[in-house]
Parts: sequence; C-alpha cells; structure tokens
Amino acid sequence: GQNIDQPTEMTATEGAIVQINCTYQTSGFNGLFWYQQHAGEAPTFLSYNVLDGLEEKGRFSSFLSRSKGYSYLLLKELQMKDSASYLCAVEGYSTLTFGKGTMLLVSP
Amino acid sequence: EAGVAQSPRYKIIEKRQSVAFWCNPISGHATLYWYQQILGQGPKLLIQFQNNGVVDDSQLPKDRFSAERLKGVDSTLKIQPAKLEDSAVYLCASSSAGGLGDTGELFFGEGSRLTVL
Repeated sequence: GQNIDQPTEMTATEGAIVQINCTYQTSGFNGLFWYQQHAGEAPTFLSYNVLDGLEEKGRFSSFLSRSKGYSYLLLKELQMKDSASYLCAVEGYSTLTFGKGTMLLVSP
Repeated sequence: EAGVAQSPRYKIIEKRQSVAFWCNPISGHATLYWYQQILGQGPKLLIQFQNNGVVDDSQLPKDRFSAERLKGVDSTLKIQPAKLEDSAVYLCASSSAGGLGDTGELFFGEGSRLTVL
C-alpha cells in the first residue's frame, strides 16, 4: 500500500518563497506528481518527477529523492492566486494515490 | 480538445436513496478513474478502468457502490443506498496511459458534489 504524508496547512506572504514537503512509503514506485486544487475546483497538473533531482517550470519547481522517499514543491514569487491546496500523488505500479493535500494561504 | 465531462454537478439526496453519476473522458483516453474527495482531504481512488476492464477497485465499497464502463468510453458510478458519510465530491479523471507503470497525467472533470441528508 501507499502512505503519503504532507503538512495540513501553510501560510506565506506575497512575493515570498515556500516549500511544501511530501514523504511517502510505498510498496511500488514509478513517479511522483504534484497537483494544484483551488477551492471548489478540480485538481490540475503541476509536475511529474521520475528521477532524482530538481525539475523547474517557471515559478514552480519540484524535487524528488527516491532513496529517501521524499519530494518537495517549491513556489517562488508567491502570488495571491497561488492560494490553493497542493496535492502530492505517488504513482505505483498501476494506480495513482493522493496525499491529503497542503492548504497554502498567501497573504498580502 | 474537450475536457472530461461529468454530470450532474450537484446532487442532494436523502440517506438510503440512490444516485448515479456519469463521466465522459477525453476522447481516446484508455484509462478512467473515479475518485471520492471528502471536504478537506485528498482524492481517494474508488475504481480505475483500463478500457472497459477494471484495474483496481480495492477501495470501492462494493456493498453499495458500483461502476461500469461499457464499450470503454463513458462510465457511470452508482451509490445505492447512500449513507451520510458518502457526502463528497466525486471526481472523474482520464489519462492516455497505456498500461502498468505508466499512469500519465490525469485530467480531471469538474466533479459531482453529493450531499446526503
């Protein structure tokens, strides 16, 4: 089975940098996704990591360490619209399991 | 390209009643997922189809939930009878993934919000 752990809530100010961590224990691992979900909306894809290291995509970066069962999502130059839930999801052999999500609140 | 379509968007029923949700995935996507998302939690996989075959339904409460994907395209999720704890958003997602170890990016529909009174 999969066990995914991420903080419940984080707060940050506009323009700052925030790092959202995700740790996992899994019986099978192929990759790790990060999704963003605004209140009342469906999740949307942010990033996908298969190999160890950092993947950068504009203001968002995602890091993976397979040996440590650890990932983080880094958000730079925070904007108010970044207030949302960020979901870590582990890809097993054939299914995708989501964590409970981290609610990020960005204040002016 | 049209996205994942779901209906109805909202449904309110009383406990012990039945309800059905419909999903039309992105054209050509072989894999279809139904997730249950309770307020404040992450999506929980209920069932995953590859074409019209079931890949994983280990977390589907089979005494009350059923799902089918006839002809490998549209899918319906049914709850009968509903319980109070079934109040949640039911998300349908699809991907173009072809098989084991290849989940691919999931594209989600807007969800069907169920309230059981």
